Amino acid sequence: GAVVSQHPSRVICKSGTSVKIECRSLDFQATTMFWYRQFPKKSLMLMATSNEGSKATYEQGVEKDKFLINHASLTLSTLTVTSAHPEDSSFYICSASRGASYNEQFFGPGTRLTVL
Amino acid sequence: GIQVEQSPPDLILQEGANSTLRCNFSDSVNNLQWFHQNPWGQLINLFYIPSGTKQNGRLSATTVATERYSLLYISSSQTTDSGVYFCAGRGNQAGTALIFGKGTTLSVSS
Repeated sequence: GAVVSQHPSRVICKSGTSVKIECRSLDFQATTMFWYRQFPKKSLMLMATSNEGSKATYEQGVEKDKFLINHASLTLSTLTVTSAHPEDSSFYICSASRGASYNEQFFGPGTRLTVL
Repeated sequence: GIQVEQSPPDLILQEGANSTLRCNFSDSVNNLQWFHQNPWGQLINLFYIPSGTKQNGRLSATTVATERYSLLYISSSQTTDSGVYFCAGRGNQAGTALIFGKGTTLSVSS
């Protein structure tokens, strides 16, 4: 199957700092990657669609200046949480699909962010 | 975008029992996937099933695209089946993301 990695798996930071999360497709190229957020005992909420070589598309209610997304290559997308606050603490998960947009999506293992 | 509804929200079973989880979606989908989220948060792909029926061991899934629903069957449940099961669908527009249901929390006791 296709493998998606995320780094770091867990991060604790102080309020006001910025945190970068990397999402990589290890054995395939991904024109499009997606970022989700999950609160405890809740479902996954789509935050944004990351397109290689162009600007990300954000879902309604997601602050693009707070959550910066860069899709620099066909195997790497990054999410930067800027000036993090305790309410940004959450589980962030990325996903990617091989080939055509309608193909099966594969998910990274997630990054647990805790902002003190 | 599409809406995805899962039922039941919670399910408690004795080991060995069978169960059926249901997923309804509000509009046509060209991608429908079932996942099991393990205790560490990793989403495990169970089935990619936009239509038809698939089986993998004790698990099987059926999607009836024309009636906008999918079913996940778990037979002879084991304690290791416990966890949250999600279905997620994607609409017909190219490049759109999977939209998740709220999940079914399954607890299997011995």
